[in-house]
Amino acid sequence: QQPVQSPQAVILREGEDAVINCSSSKALYSVHWYRQKHGEAPVFLMILLKGGEQKGHDKISASFNEKKQQSSLYLTASQLSYSGTYFCGTENTAGGGADGLTFGKGTHLIIQP
Amino acid sequence: NAGVMQNPRHLVRRRGQEARLRCSPMKGHSHVYWYRQLPEEGLKFMVYLQKENIIDESGMPKERFSAEFPKEGPSILRIQQVVRGDSAAYFCASSPTVSDRAFFGQGTRLTVV
Repeated sequence: QQPVQSPQAVILREGEDAVINCSSSKALYSVHWYRQKHGEAPVFLMILLKGGEQKGHDKISASFNEKKQQSSLYLTASQLSYSGTYFCGTENTAGGGADGLTFGKGTHLIIQP
Repeated sequence: NAGVMQNPRHLVRRRGQEARLRCSPMKGHSHVYWYRQLPEEGLKFMVYLQKENIIDESGMPKERFSAEFPKEGPSILRIQQVVRGDSAAYFCASSPTVSDRAFFGQGTRLTVV
């Protein structure tokens, strides 16, 4: 089942903050966040496995709510290099599950100087 | 440790021809995913394979498309009798376990003329 991402697109000025949401109608086993720049491969950002978990590095962090149905990606004091399309990938079952990693449609983030 | 290797990077085929896309996962990775990405769209799951087994092919069109991941050698995504609508970027990702971070290859851009 494909997760739902919002918003579809965000335009920010350098230094502003952004939040990207990823939600599912069912409890998830894990959420993976990736960023893809135009014409390039998606690059892994982080994975969340536990309800209530928060993790991050530099000014990019993410949370996974207690019910494990929603994750949010937080970009603080955005930099020009943050521009790209952000995808959340979700797994419905634990290791060995047949679903694989299913991605949302992506959120386009444009950072302007 | 080389990353996920996909070849060719660009492939042009005439309508009705066959396209073969290759993906060599990272060393030690036994899980392979194939995704299709149309311009300005998200990553659409196609198939999930482990060595010699197809775990989930729910995203694969029923006809003309097939995938394999033999005991030796790369994973192959095969598209028979290609049509213009098959033109897209095809990404392969691999992971050591199903709930681990997935590493993406650079993709194969298929153009059907």
